[in-house]
Amino acid sequence: AQSVTQLDSQVPVFEEAPVELRCNYSSSVSVYLFWYVQYPNQGLQLLLKYLSGSTLVKGINGFEAEFNKSQTSFHLRKPSVHISDTAEYFCAVTPNSGGSNYKLTFGKGTLLTVNP
Amino acid sequence: GAVVSQHPSRVICKSGTSVKIECRSLDFQATTMFWYRQFPKQSLMLMATSNEGSKATYEQGVEKDKFLINHASLTLSTLTVTSAHPEDSSFYICSATGTGGYLYGYTFGSGTRLTVV
Repeated sequence: AQSVTQLDSQVPVFEEAPVELRCNYSSSVSVYLFWYVQYPNQGLQLLLKYLSGSTLVKGINGFEAEFNKSQTSFHLRKPSVHISDTAEYFCAVTPNSGGSNYKLTFGKGTLLTVNP
Repeated sequence: GAVVSQHPSRVICKSGTSVKIECRSLDFQATTMFWYRQFPKQSLMLMATSNEGSKATYEQGVEKDKFLINHASLTLSTLTVTSAHPEDSSFYICSATGTGGYLYGYTFGSGTRLTVV
């Protein structure tokens, strides 16, 4: 079984400041990792994913994340945030072996609030 | 890119009635669909996984007779909340994936806000 811990439930930042949203996972098998963003009353949109290869992954909207296997982390970063980045962010994992139909295990989410 | 359409976006129903939510993959064949429930300010809770042409697999604690899932084709899955009660009020989200869907990060519908009065 897998579990995902998002260490911060809320992260307030000022516009144009850098931000890091933390994600740690636990799994007995190798996993694929994902970050999703959810705007109010909407579904989830994929920001980026790590499947294999380079541990630094670049996604949409200027976000990037780094996979650290030894620390079992997949933190999300953005060098300069905008008001429009205000949303809920979810980290998720799935076993890379196809177990359980590749179903995702989500963290509890981090609410990023960007203030002017 | 892959698109999943979910309808309705909002529905209000009376207690005791049934509500059907549709999830359609518009430009790919969805071999597997997932149904989630999300409470306010909380994460997504997986309710069930359905493979086309097979019975859905429900997560522990989810009543399969209350939440009927049908995945009759490669582009359509439905969730029917039977005899709905106020405690069933929630945000329901579907997700669809084709073969090797993890390569695309799964595609989510826009969600359905169910309010039972």
